[in-house]
Amino acid sequence: GQNIDQPTEMTATEGAIVQINCTYQTSGFNGLFWYQQHAGEAPTFLSYNVLDGLEEKGRFSSFLSRSKGYSYLLLKELQMKDSASYLCAVGHSSASKIIFGSGTRLSIRP
Amino acid sequence: SAVISQKPSRDICQRGTSLTIQCQVDSQVTMMFWYRQQPGQSLTLIATANQGSEATYESGFVIDKFPISRPNLTFSTLTVSNMSPEDSSIYLCSVGLAVTDTQYFGPGTRLTVL
Repeated sequence: GQNIDQPTEMTATEGAIVQINCTYQTSGFNGLFWYQQHAGEAPTFLSYNVLDGLEEKGRFSSFLSRSKGYSYLLLKELQMKDSASYLCAVGHSSASKIIFGSGTRLSIRP
Repeated sequence: SAVISQKPSRDICQRGTSLTIQCQVDSQVTMMFWYRQQPGQSLTLIATANQGSEATYESGFVIDKFPISRPNLTFSTLTVSNMSPEDSSIYLCSVGLAVTDTQYFGPGTRLTVL
């Protein structure tokens, strides 16, 4: 089966840095995804990691350690528009499907 | 990415009725999926819509309740049958486009069952 854990809620200050952690246990691992979802909207793809290490994409970076079953999403220079839910998801190798964690609701304060 | 549309965008339905949701993609895709997102919750995979064969359902979801069609590589439907208030949710379709299985989502259908 699959088990994905991430914090339910986080708060951070505009201009600061925040790290959202995700741990997972899964069979047939085929990559770790991060999605952003604003209230009332569909999820949008942020990042994909399949190898260990850090992937940087502008203000957002994502890290993966497959041996530890651990990932994090790092958001720098936070803006008010970054207030959203961030969903950690694991790809399943044999079925091309993605299983989502419960999501982390991030609130940015001025 | 692809342009994905869903119809209807929202609906209010009576208990015991059925609603069919359509998902249209602007290009041919191999993988299409249907998710449910209940209020304040994350996404739960209902099934993988397979072109030319029966859908593959996740644990807890059955074909009689959520029949799915996938007549071609650009279109799929999900029917929510014999609805109850517990079916009130957002239903989203997604498509997988690349070898990495990255999925892109449609705008969702917000369903309220009275």
